[in-house]
Amino acid sequence: DAKTTQPPSMDCAEGRAANLPCNHSTISGNEYVYWYRQIHSQGPQYIIHGLKNNETNEMASLIITEDRKSSTLILPHATLRDTAVYYCIVRVGGVLTGGGNKLTFGTGTQLKVEL
Amino acid sequence: DTEVTQTPKHLVMGMTNKKSLKCEQHMGHRAMYWYKQKAKKPPELMFVYSYEKLSINESVPSRFSPECPNSSLLNLHLHALQPEDSALYLCASSQYAGGRGLNEQFFGPGTRLTVL
Repeated sequence: DAKTTQPPSMDCAEGRAANLPCNHSTISGNEYVYWYRQIHSQGPQYIIHGLKNNETNEMASLIITEDRKSSTLILPHATLRDTAVYYCIVRVGGVLTGGGNKLTFGTGTQLKVEL
Repeated sequence: DTEVTQTPKHLVMGMTNKKSLKCEQHMGHRAMYWYKQKAKKPPELMFVYSYEKLSINESVPSRFSPECPNSSLLNLHLHALQPEDSALYLCASSQYAGGRGLNEQFFGPGTRLTVL
């Protein structure tokens, strides 16, 4: 699976959009971009994923560049409860036989949302 | 029910003890996972079970012994652990072990293990 690079920390004012970047310059054509977050002392939580098109759900939006070498997770109106470590993960998609569904977490971005 | 439960929440054990961690899900998922997370580090995959069979062992020492008695339950048996094994142990499940696109993993809250 491709490696990812994220800034170690970011701050965001409550109510503003939080834009979290991720670089995955060695991504392959069959690899998806996943985002998970981990609030302190809890298990990680899935946020969103995408292959090449931009995606949006009730939690966030995912913008993937045309060359797929980077992406941005957008939390449109960050709240204090969004303070967490955000992990960008690149994983092979497609049907696997026996290989399992490996998530390789990088160091992530600690997002701190403040008043 | 979209919850993965783990028991106990906290565990303190000596290096000669034998203990077990338990994980349960009732989402009909056929893949279950154990991760280890040290303080201020990302989770690291330990084991993957697919259809109740061990499909991935990430070279984990034999003092950690996983078991999947049925599709809803996953255990991690601990024996002769070292202090450096102290960590948060996370269980997760997903619909399948492979799969295209969305095959999100649902994580439990973890068991915080301290080895004295």
